[in-house]
Amino acid sequence: RKEVEQDPGPFNVPEGATVAFNCTYSNSASQSFFWYRQDCRKEPKLLMSVYSSGNEDGRFTAQLNRASQYISLLIRDSKLSDSATYLCVVNMNTDKLIFGTGTRLQVFP
Amino acid sequence: AAGVIQSPRHLIKEKRETATLKCYPIPRHDTVYWYQQGPGQDPQFLISFYEKMQSDKGSIPDRFSAQQFSDYHSELNMSSLELGDSALYFCASSASRWGQNPQETQYFGPGTRLLVL
Repeated sequence: RKEVEQDPGPFNVPEGATVAFNCTYSNSASQSFFWYRQDCRKEPKLLMSVYSSGNEDGRFTAQLNRASQYISLLIRDSKLSDSATYLCVVNMNTDKLIFGTGTRLQVFP
Repeated sequence: AAGVIQSPRHLIKEKRETATLKCYPIPRHDTVYWYQQGPGQDPQFLISFYEKMQSDKGSIPDRFSAQQFSDYHSELNMSSLELGDSALYFCASSASRWGQNPQETQYFGPGTRLLVL
């Protein structure tokens, strides 16, 4: 079983839609949580950190539920440029980032 | 703003050959990380360096070695290449050691695409 699990998708949504991704992690010792975005054949780029209190950055909202070991990402008012793979990432206070396999999002006109 | 630089961007090698990948971190970043991403896979942590010393080790094969130099650039040396080594190799850097400051972002370079024939 992978340490970080995500629905691979793809999620196909029209422009303007709201879409939510979920992620679960298996190790309760996990300390830090992130969402990265990766475009095809490009490097992962940090989208946002995820805090226990939940946090928002423009159209993006991230939530963390430590009790259920569950992380979510909500994207409102989807844009064509949001099409990418969204990687759920966990860290246990080591140098190693543990990536989920990613959820692919395709926004269509 | 300066980003992580990796070279070469593309590399084609034959089985049993050697390859050296280079990584130049963002200026004033002292920690470097290497990841391997196979086709359709998520990035897997290989190894990291802090202040020129190895700081953490992941799933790096014994055929691979790496080091960080006095100017903080890092090189990943890969020997006896196998077909399964074909992948994207990312280098990342951060301004402090991740484990010491978990919210410190790891910035990824554009990657080196290695193809072993």
